[in-house]
Amino acid sequence: DAKTTQPPSMDCAEGRAANLPCNHSTISGNEYVYWYRQIHSQGPQYIIHGLKNNETNEMASLIITEDRKSSTLILPHATLRDTAVYYCIVRPYNAGKSTFGDGTTLTVKP
Amino acid sequence: DTGVSQNPRHKITKRGQNVTFRCDPISEHNRLYWYRQTLGQGPEFLTYFQNEAQLEKSRLLSDRFSAERPKGSFSTLEIQRTEQGDSAMYLCASSLDEGEKLFFGSGTQLSVL
Repeated sequence: DAKTTQPPSMDCAEGRAANLPCNHSTISGNEYVYWYRQIHSQGPQYIIHGLKNNETNEMASLIITEDRKSSTLILPHATLRDTAVYYCIVRPYNAGKSTFGDGTTLTVKP
Repeated sequence: DTGVSQNPRHKITKRGQNVTFRCDPISEHNRLYWYRQTLGQGPEFLTYFQNEAQLEKSRLLSDRFSAERPKGSFSTLEIQRTEQGDSAMYLCASSLDEGEKLFFGSGTQLSVL
């Protein structure tokens, strides 16, 4: 699976958009970008995934660059409950496993 | 959808003892995964099942670890002769099929004294 690079931590003001970057410069053509988050003491929670087109759901938007070497997860109006560790994962759709890195700790501040 | 259930929630054991954890996936999910997570790190893949077949095992899964998924329903993860280094959160996840999103349980926190 392609390696991903994320900043270890980020802060965001409550009500503002949180933009979490992920670099995956060695991504292959058949690999998708998945995002999960983990709130303290809970298991990770799926957020969104995409191949090359931008995606949006009720939780977030995923912007993938045209060369697919990086992506950004956008939480449009961050709340205190969005404070969590966010993981970016790159993997083929039919891969057996998802490999988690250390993620980005997002702290939303009032 | 009752979610992925893991039991027990916490387990404290003495070094050298055997422990067993249980995971009940979402009922129609074919795939079941086990991960281990230590403080400050992301989850590490241990093994996964497609129905009752164990398809992949990580090198992290030493001979002291064994996982089963009889009849393709619930799964158990057993650790024999526990060591202090086994102390971690053990997470179970399930998915409908390959490529589908993972649903995680709340984990079993193991402390080996």
